[in-house]
Amino acid sequence: QVQLVESGGGVVQPGGSLRLSCAASGFTFSSYGFHWVRQSPGKGLEWVAFIRFDGSATCYADSVKGRFTISRDNSKNTLYLQMNSLRDEDTAVYYCAKEGVDYWGQGTLVTVSP
Amino acid sequence: DIVMTQTPLSSPVTLGQPASISCRSSQSLVHSDGNTYLSWLQQRPGQPPRLLIYKISNRFSGVPDRFSGSGAGTDFTLKISRVEAEDVGVYYCTQATQFPYTFGQGTKLEIK
Repeated sequence: QVQLVESGGGVVQPGGSLRLSCAASGFTFSSYGFHWVRQSPGKGLEWVAFIRFDGSATCYADSVKGRFTISRDNSKNTLYLQMNSLRDEDTAVYYCAKEGVDYWGQGTLVTVSP
Repeated sequence: DIVMTQTPLSSPVTLGQPASISCRSSQSLVHSDGNTYLSWLQQRPGQPPRLLIYKISNRFSGVPDRFSGSGAGTDFTLKISRVEAEDVGVYYCTQATQFPYTFGQGTKLEIK
């Protein structure tokens, strides 16, 4: 069955960096694009970034452009989100979601706090 | 960016009764390929979102047939024919016609 498992969340100071991972199994990872979507505590969903199946193209929300980088390693069935210059407003649960938003991981919490 | 507006934001419903959520987009969601990439997600308390409906009216695998989607262009509706206790949660519409992908504010479904 399709499984997406995020990891790498934690507490980081403003201006710091963090790298999230999303390990996929149960399907052909290299055939699909992926999203990162975040949800601030008690708030709605915000799309963050997308990467094509082969990594040849990426797209970002304006709120993270220039600070976050989405990437993937198809040999490891893993999606990544490198987050730099973190701000208070980046505090959220970060979900990876398969193209079509048909499958989601359980999420990993990122807290940006002094 | 395409703005997605949901109404109502809160919906108290009696068990066994129908429920309906509306979603309006700020511009047409018809893609150049002819498809309309409007989906509905359910998020139960403490859980990640789950896909219910894609391309306006297609139920995703395992979704009960009491859920249905309809609409066209800029106006869309999610209907639950008979609400069950497990349907409690927040429902989001989302568009994948154009980047950046955007979500509605969410509609909280609760039992009266």
